[in-house]
Amino acid sequence: SQTIHQWPATLVQPVGSPLSLECTVEGTSNPNLYWYRQAAGRGLQLLFYSVGIGQISSEVPQNLSASRPQDRQFILSSKKLLLSDSGFYLCAWDEQGGWSEAFFGQGTRLTVV
Amino acid sequence: GQQVMQIPQYQHVQEGEDFTTYCNSSTTLSNIQWYKQRPGGHPVFLIQLVKSGEVKKQKRLTFQFGEAKKNSSLHITATQTTDVGTYFCAGPIRGGADGLTFGKGTHLIIQP
Repeated sequence: SQTIHQWPATLVQPVGSPLSLECTVEGTSNPNLYWYRQAAGRGLQLLFYSVGIGQISSEVPQNLSASRPQDRQFILSSKKLLLSDSGFYLCAWDEQGGWSEAFFGQGTRLTVV
Repeated sequence: GQQVMQIPQYQHVQEGEDFTTYCNSSTTLSNIQWYKQRPGGHPVFLIQLVKSGEVKKQKRLTFQFGEAKKNSSLHITATQTTDVGTYFCAGPIRGGADGLTFGKGTHLIIQP
């Protein structure tokens, strides 16, 4: 069966520090991968999506970047965190884009101080 | 851009009362999906609706897809404390190749 792993679960980082969040998927090949951000009590904002290795699309301009070095690995990064980067970051995957069920990781709660 | 709007944002109910959340899209959707997020958790898929006018039931939950495929609703009968959480609807972005766009969700708060 397929599983998705996301870590760390929580993170407190100072302003200006770098960020690296990692997500891996097991049990499937060539998944579509997504990074979402959820502000406290708010909806899900799509940040990045990837349909294959090295293919990254960004939905909104921001202080973050994403990379997909391997088929089932998706990384969210920042060179210098801002206070506004705080939030709940969720990695997700699916097989058929918006036509199929999305599976979410457990999420990373990031607090920038 | 494509938007999926959801109301209400918050809903307080007494345990045992019914609950409904509504979802509207600015464009026709090929399908609509519903997710539930428990407090502190991650969204979990509930159901997908594909056909115009489709109605699906899961125990006390009833999901509807509008005839024009631009709106949907989730109705919970006789809420229980386990129903607490945020319910999201989601539709395909730009036809689906780019994943899902989510509504802002409806937070269901149940008072015992």
